Amino acid sequence: GIQVEQSPPDLILQEGANSTLRCNFSDSVNNLQWFHQNPWGQLINLFYIPSGTKQNGRLSATTVATERYSLLYISSSQTTDSGVYFCAASSGSRLTFGEGTQLTVNP
Amino acid sequence: GAGVSQSPRYKVAKRGQDVALRCDPISGHVSLFWYQQALGQGPEFLTYFQNEAQLDKSGLPSDRFFAERPEGSVSTLKIQRTQQEDSAVYLCASSRGMNTEAFFGQGTRLTVV
Repeated sequence: GIQVEQSPPDLILQEGANSTLRCNFSDSVNNLQWFHQNPWGQLINLFYIPSGTKQNGRLSATTVATERYSLLYISSSQTTDSGVYFCAASSGSRLTFGEGTQLTVNP
Repeated sequence: GAGVSQSPRYKVAKRGQDVALRCDPISGHVSLFWYQQALGQGPEFLTYFQNEAQLDKSGLPSDRFFAERPEGSVSTLKIQRTQQEDSAVYLCASSRGMNTEAFFGQGTRLTVV
């Protein structure tokens, strides 16, 4: 099945800083999603982005399907952005998750 | 409903007990998925339904795990004779169809003691 790798595994920022999270996948995809898992364990949908670029407020994402990677950009980070960010990709019916990036934003 | 709803939110089971976890998907969503998330790891696929048909159960870790969705809406994940290694968060997701955006419930945290 498809392999999904995320980097970096951990990231510590000061409030106001920008960051880029990366997701590499091993096969062509028909679904790619970014999630934020909050401290209560809920997976919050950030982007559904099998290709192209999308923006939502301070967050944006780009997927380059031909090169098998996706990037999540967080600008002007806030303490509430802390948590684990997951990339998940599918080349069939099931989403395969990466191991996540643990983001800590300090005040 | 407005989102995917799972119950119970927390379950403590004694080793050897059977448990049943419930998932109410978003109304009208055809596809339903179950995932297992161990502490500090990403969710791992267990099984997939399209309407009432279980199309993929390759992720179920043993024959103690059983899932059903008899009327193509609510789904139940049953774990028989629970063991300590079954302790995890069980997540349910639904989507309109294959390869469309999936939405997750809050999860059920199972602790086997």
